[in-house]
Amino acid sequence: SQTIHQWPATLVQPVGSPLSLECTVEGTSNPNLYWYRQAAGRGLQLLFYSVGIGQISSEVPQNLSASRPQDRQFILSSKKLLLSDSGFYLCAWAGTNQETQYFGPGTRLLVL
Amino acid sequence: AQTVTQSQPEMSVQEAETVTLSCTYDTSESDYYLFWYKQPPSRQMILVIRQEAYKQQNATENRFSVNFQKAAKSFSLKISDSQLGDAAMYFCAYRSFNTNAGKSTFGDGTTLTVKP
Repeated sequence: SQTIHQWPATLVQPVGSPLSLECTVEGTSNPNLYWYRQAAGRGLQLLFYSVGIGQISSEVPQNLSASRPQDRQFILSSKKLLLSDSGFYLCAWAGTNQETQYFGPGTRLLVL
Repeated sequence: AQTVTQSQPEMSVQEAETVTLSCTYDTSESDYYLFWYKQPPSRQMILVIRQEAYKQQNATENRFSVNFQKAAKSFSLKISDSQLGDAAMYFCAYRSFNTNAGKSTFGDGTTLTVKP
């Protein structure tokens, strides 16, 4: 069966520091991968998606970036965090039929 | 662009009773998928139910069922025999059948409280 992992689970970072969040998927090949951000009590905002290694599409211009160095690895990064980057970050995957997205456990990011 | 609207920020239900969560969407497409996700306090997003727009029959999953009205662009979720574990935030989501990479649009969610 397929599983999706995210780490770290929780992160507290000072403003201006770099960021690296990692997402990995097991049990499937060539998945579509997605990064979402969720503000407290709100819906999900799609940040990036990837249909293959090295292929990244950005949905929202901001100081975040994403990379996909391996087929089942998706990384969310920032060179300098802003206070507004605080939130809950969810990674998701979908199979080749793209019908349903399955989510990881998420990372809580607090920028102080 | 597609939009998804959940007009009920909060709902409550008595344990063992039935509750219906509303969702409407706006699209010009004829083929698409609709989803309900549950997000408990752990914040893990869990798929509850999925509906293909080309299917006339409403999807059901145990105590969860949907009322899909394609012409009205309405997709409500009915939870029967509510349990304390059903307390969570519920999100309605839309995905185009033909969209690149299977991107989904989510509503802002409905927080469901279950009273014992």
